[in-house]
Amino acid sequence: SQTIHQWPATLVQPVGSPLSLECTVEGTSNPNLYWYRQAAGRGLQLLFYSVGIGQISSEVPQNLSASRPQDRQFILSSKKLLLSDSGFYLCAWQRKGLRTDTQYFGPGTRLTVL
Amino acid sequence: QKEVEQDPGPLSVPEGAIVSLNCTYSNSAFQYFMWYRQYSRKGPELLMYTYSSGNKEDGRFTAQVDKSSKYISLFIRDSQPSDSATYLCAMSGDTGRRALTFGSGTRLQVQP
Repeated sequence: SQTIHQWPATLVQPVGSPLSLECTVEGTSNPNLYWYRQAAGRGLQLLFYSVGIGQISSEVPQNLSASRPQDRQFILSSKKLLLSDSGFYLCAWQRKGLRTDTQYFGPGTRLTVL
Repeated sequence: QKEVEQDPGPLSVPEGAIVSLNCTYSNSAFQYFMWYRQYSRKGPELLMYTYSSGNKEDGRFTAQVDKSSKYISLFIRDSQPSDSATYLCAMSGDTGRRALTFGSGTRLQVQP
């Protein structure tokens, strides 16, 4: 069976500090990978998605970046955090195929920028 | 106008009630429809996945899609306090990127 991990689970960072969130998937290969942000009481905002190693598409201009150094590893980074970067960050994976398949989410990372 | 509209609630019902959750959408290219349940401070978990129009049943849950009206529903029978969560609808088309477009979620409270 497939599992998806995210860490850390909770993070409190000062404004201007760097960020690195990691997501790894087990039990599948060559998945599509996604980073979402969810503000309190809001829906999911797609930040980045990746269809393969080194292939990153950005959905929203911001001071965040993403990288996929390995097939089942997806990293979200920032050089300098802003207050507005606070939120719940979710990673998701999806099988490739002729049809759009569902996405499976990780447990999330709650980021608070002070 | 948002691509997917969902009433944020909260929706409060007594235990045992039938719950109806809904989303409307504007993009006629959407063909895949999903419902996720999200407990507080947790990642969303998939409840139902349907393709095109029609009904799908799984235990106490029934998903309905009406593409002509651009309207989808999730029904929960015999609701339980453990069903208290936020329910997110999500959908996608068949071409291009396969990312999902989400509704903002409806918060459901089932009172014991």
